[in-house]
Amino acid sequence: NAGVTQTPKFQVLKTGQSMTLQCAQDMNHEYMSWYRQDPGMGLRLIHYSVGAGITDQGEVPNGYNVSRSTTEDFPLRLLSAAPSQTSVYFCASNPGLAGGTDTQYFGPGTRLTVL
Amino acid sequence: AQSVTQLDSQVPVFEEAPVELRCNYSSSVSVYLFWYVQYPNQGLQLLLKYLSGSTLVKGINGFEAEFNKSQTSFHLRKPSVHISDTAEYFCAVTLRRSNYQLIWGAGTKLIIKP
Repeated sequence: NAGVTQTPKFQVLKTGQSMTLQCAQDMNHEYMSWYRQDPGMGLRLIHYSVGAGITDQGEVPNGYNVSRSTTEDFPLRLLSAAPSQTSVYFCASNPGLAGGTDTQYFGPGTRLTVL
Repeated sequence: AQSVTQLDSQVPVFEEAPVELRCNYSSSVSVYLFWYVQYPNQGLQLLLKYLSGSTLVKGINGFEAEFNKSQTSFHLRKPSVHISDTAEYFCAVTLRRSNYQLIWGAGTKLIIKP
């Protein structure tokens, strides 16, 4: 198993540009989440999904869109990048109660800089 | 509303010395508690968790944590640290077993001095 994979690892955008951060997992997990990590603030939940076709907002959803057309993939779209979105983005998956565990599995992260 | 406070942003400690990383939470109902570790330039991985039962929880790499309901704390300890323990440690809490809605502390950087 590759686990949770994220691409790209690094990205530099100009203000106003759009882009999609890719996330995929090969563990057949029900739940997937996107977090952003900023210095001194821990992780903040952007969006999450409890299964294919079902998404919901987390703590800081503004400026981001998600979709979940398959169990494996959960892309995060930045609609019009702003400097405030400079951060490290982590995707995570969780098998849910049916999987018998409470552990979240994290990808390696995408470091995004918006100029 | 729940919140998590990690009282120290950095903890420097000499190699082979003991360490305690502090975590306090606020919640009016029962919670589930987690510690995750993030090694430099990597994602996070689970260190240990408390769901129910024994309040002393053992995790990977020799770490353990004790749940104290009266003090609403979940401090992480290791009796003897190694240089490879250099990392950032995050405490997290959730009300539900489906923990996609974890509330995270700000993190504590463990700095091991040779």
